[in-house]
Amino acid sequence: GAGVSQSPSNKVTEKGKDVELRCDPISGHTALYWYRQSLGQGLEFLIYFQGNSAPDKSGLPSDRFSAERTGGSVSTLTIQRTQQEDSAVYLCASGGGSGYEQYFGPGTRLTVT
Amino acid sequence: GQSLEQPSEVTAVEGAIVQINCTYQTSGFYGLSWYQQHDGGAPTFLSYNALDGLEETGRFSSFLSRSDSYGYLLLQELQMKDSASYFCAVRDHSGNNRKLIWGLGTSLAVNP
Repeated sequence: GAGVSQSPSNKVTEKGKDVELRCDPISGHTALYWYRQSLGQGLEFLIYFQGNSAPDKSGLPSDRFSAERTGGSVSTLTIQRTQQEDSAVYLCASGGGSGYEQYFGPGTRLTVT
Repeated sequence: GQSLEQPSEVTAVEGAIVQINCTYQTSGFYGLSWYQQHDGGAPTFLSYNALDGLEETGRFSSFLSRSDSYGYLLLQELQMKDSASYFCAVRDHSGNNRKLIWGLGTSLAVNP
């Protein structure tokens, strides 16, 4: 079956612009996670959706970052007024809800110039 | 605070055995996961230990000791394609929250 997909695969934007990153999780997965990874670094947790529960937003670095998940499926991560330090690979993962096994998408490489 | 420690780099030769250790300090513990990530790729799930002992999956094995807050990933018969970063992660189960707390990763270089 289809895995997790993300779009766009690459995004170059100018400082100050808003960007939207999309994630299509595996069908039926109740959990969806967003992470950020800078070159050669570990995974930085951003936000977590689980079913109809309120999302865990504890990892969002500032109020310029927001995310929503519509209909328990597709999720969009929005970064407003992008800054150069936002440049990174943004990874989305979905899972069946247990938490320990997450399936990652290929990521969106964001470059802010 | 919550943290996981693993070596930043490990080097080994083809055909050898390598062990990547992970120690954790977390408020809750519901299992230790291991993920592999090749350069430019996405992390992929390798194994999960909820109970003490060794879990074997082909050339890879994972071990957990809950009393020691310690686990390791054992890679046998190393191949060049095993060169990648390996992350340990602990499942945090605070209430209904099932997110993972991640280590910073171990970069494994397999040399001929």
